[in-house]
Amino acid sequence: GAVVSQHPSRVICKSGTSVKIECRSLDFQATTMFWYRQFPKKSLMLMATSNEGSKATYEQGVEKDKFLINHASLTLSTLTVTSAHPEDSSFYICSTLGEGPLLDYGYTFGSGTRLTVV
Amino acid sequence: AQKVTQAQTEISVVEKEDVTLDCVYETRDTTYYLFWYKQPPSGELVFLIRRNSFDEQNEISGRYSWNFQKSTSSFNFTITASQVVDSAVYFCALSFIMYSGGGADGLTFGKGTHLIIQP
Repeated sequence: GAVVSQHPSRVICKSGTSVKIECRSLDFQATTMFWYRQFPKKSLMLMATSNEGSKATYEQGVEKDKFLINHASLTLSTLTVTSAHPEDSSFYICSTLGEGPLLDYGYTFGSGTRLTVV
Repeated sequence: AQKVTQAQTEISVVEKEDVTLDCVYETRDTTYYLFWYKQPPSGELVFLIRRNSFDEQNEISGRYSWNFQKSTSSFNFTITASQVVDSAVYFCALSFIMYSGGGADGLTFGKGTHLIIQP
């Protein structure tokens, strides 16, 4: 089945620094990648949608200059949290849509990245 | 706009009891997809089921069953003979997916139901 590898699984960074989160599709081409954010004990909220080779589309209220998304290839999408602050601490999850038979399962999710900004 | 409501924030039952998790959705699309995911404490999302809007057949998979009713815009999930390992947060979600080459929407999630199965 489809596998999305997300790294790192946990990261602690100092306030003001930037953090990059990577998501790789291991056995299929991910034309579209979705990035979600989940606060503790809360739901997952879609942050942005990226399509390979084009600019990401951000949901209302998500700062595109703060959450930089790059989807340069069909197997790799990255989310960079720039100038991180404690309020950016959250669980970030990427997801992609399978194609062909993989679509039977709909979306495939990475294992998530728990970001703590101190 | 799409919306998913999971009114039950937390449910606690004793092992072996049956439990139903409710999900009500809103969408203007005539073609849409409904999902259930399980999120254990580790955080990863475990896919449970996908159902499209044209398929109202109920589904049973082992101890799990799903009841899809378009008339009431509900997609409820029942666990029969619950087990401690079923303890997790369960999310109902909705999307409008187009097939390959046609683009896709992200998922709209409900707020989740925290299910606690006590031994």
